[in-house]
Amino acid sequence: GEDVEQSLFLSVREGDSSVINCTYTDSSSTYLYWYKQEPGAGLQLLTYIFSNMDMKQDQRLTVLLNKKDKHLSLRIADTQTGDSAIYFCAESIGGGSQGNLIFGKGTKLSVKP
Amino acid sequence: DTEVTQTPKHLVMGMTNKKSLKCEQHMGHRAMYWYKQKAKKPPELMFVYSYEKLSINESVPSRFSPECPNSSLLNLHLHALQPEDSALYLCASSQDGGTGWPLAKNIQYFGAGTRLSVL
Repeated sequence: GEDVEQSLFLSVREGDSSVINCTYTDSSSTYLYWYKQEPGAGLQLLTYIFSNMDMKQDQRLTVLLNKKDKHLSLRIADTQTGDSAIYFCAESIGGGSQGNLIFGKGTKLSVKP
Repeated sequence: DTEVTQTPKHLVMGMTNKKSLKCEQHMGHRAMYWYKQKAKKPPELMFVYSYEKLSINESVPSRFSPECPNSSLLNLHLHALQPEDSALYLCASSQDGGTGWPLAKNIQYFGAGTRLSVL
């Protein structure tokens, strides 16, 4: 079955880089996503990557995709206290994205001043 | 604009009450979703509407009743809920919920959620 795995916690110091890792199992995944959830809030789409790409960069965010190992990572450069949140990795599977987002359990990022 | 608006933000209800959660988007999206999220867990899909038709029902109890009056609105009617139904209820929308080769237009955008407490 489909499964998305993430480490549950990550703690970094302000100004350092954060790297959040994710592994997925479905080789037919076409889009992979990173969502951010702050306490008591909804999910904010941070970035996504299509499965035929290896890397995507958007300002402080860099997404790396190793399709062979089914490994996805999110790097946040110059991490700030406002980046403290839970980060969910998600994959869309099958022939369409309709409702079939599979989420990881989320990585709680704590940024220390 | 990628805004999905949910009301109310917070809701407290008794087990005999009837209430509704509302979700609205004006992005022209034709697919809308309801998710349930318990504390410290990822969201779990409940329902999907595609072109105002219910297309996915993930075996949700009948005390949850979705309604899609038009392409911009999605409601979730609640009746005779249990305390274990307390959770954050998230609405999402995407440009096109159709099956077939997925394109960027199927990316889901989420609302801020309704925090529901059932007493």
